[in-house]
Amino acid sequence: DGGITQSPKYLFRKEGQNVTLSCEQNLNHDAMYWYRQDPGQGLRLIYYSQIVNDFQKGDIAEGYSVSREKKESFPLTVTSAQKNPTAFYLCASTGGDGQRGRPNYNEQFFGPGTRLTVL
Amino acid sequence: GENVEQHPSTLSVQEGDSAVIKCTYSDSASNYFPWYKQELGKGPQLIIDIRSNVGEKKDQRIAVTLNKTAKHFSLHITETQPEDSAVYFCAASFSGGYQKVTFGIGTKLQVIP
Repeated sequence: DGGITQSPKYLFRKEGQNVTLSCEQNLNHDAMYWYRQDPGQGLRLIYYSQIVNDFQKGDIAEGYSVSREKKESFPLTVTSAQKNPTAFYLCASTGGDGQRGRPNYNEQFFGPGTRLTVL
Repeated sequence: GENVEQHPSTLSVQEGDSAVIKCTYSDSASNYFPWYKQELGKGPQLIIDIRSNVGEKKDQRIAVTLNKTAKHFSLHITETQPEDSAVYFCAASFSGGYQKVTFGIGTKLQVIP
């Protein structure tokens, strides 16, 4: 089955450590996105990539970094510069195929998320 | 940039009643308005969407309305069921290629049996 996976589901980090969250998709989608979800703040865009070897900052990119070396992978690194990293992180992709068999370049397919806790 | 406001933040309804969630957007260039449902511990999933050339769209018990002049759109769920309990997000973007999507803060819907 095609889909988007994130690992690990739960992640604990000590203050001052960098940590990398994995996101993989086998949907052959061109674009991938990283969001941060906090209670009462909805989904906020961290970074997005429209094509391999290219990515753009979202609304809250400070303290995060990404790479897009392969079409199917878009890892997110939470660096020690991120002052408040404890959150639920969601990865998404889009590639033109909608759920109902009609083209939809705007529909985002989300992974199950990674909950990061800084100890 | 785009700003999407959503309300209410929480909503409780009796099973069988209707639920309405409202959103406003700021960028008149936005022309694609999806709604996502997020169940506990999962990622959001698209449930319905509407484009700016349409004023209303319906899919079984779910409908969305759009008022371009006022820059607001709403989600209507009729005959609510316990499995409708979830967090619902509205969003706005510009269609055409792979665009940024701006989400609202979410509405936690509880359907009371």
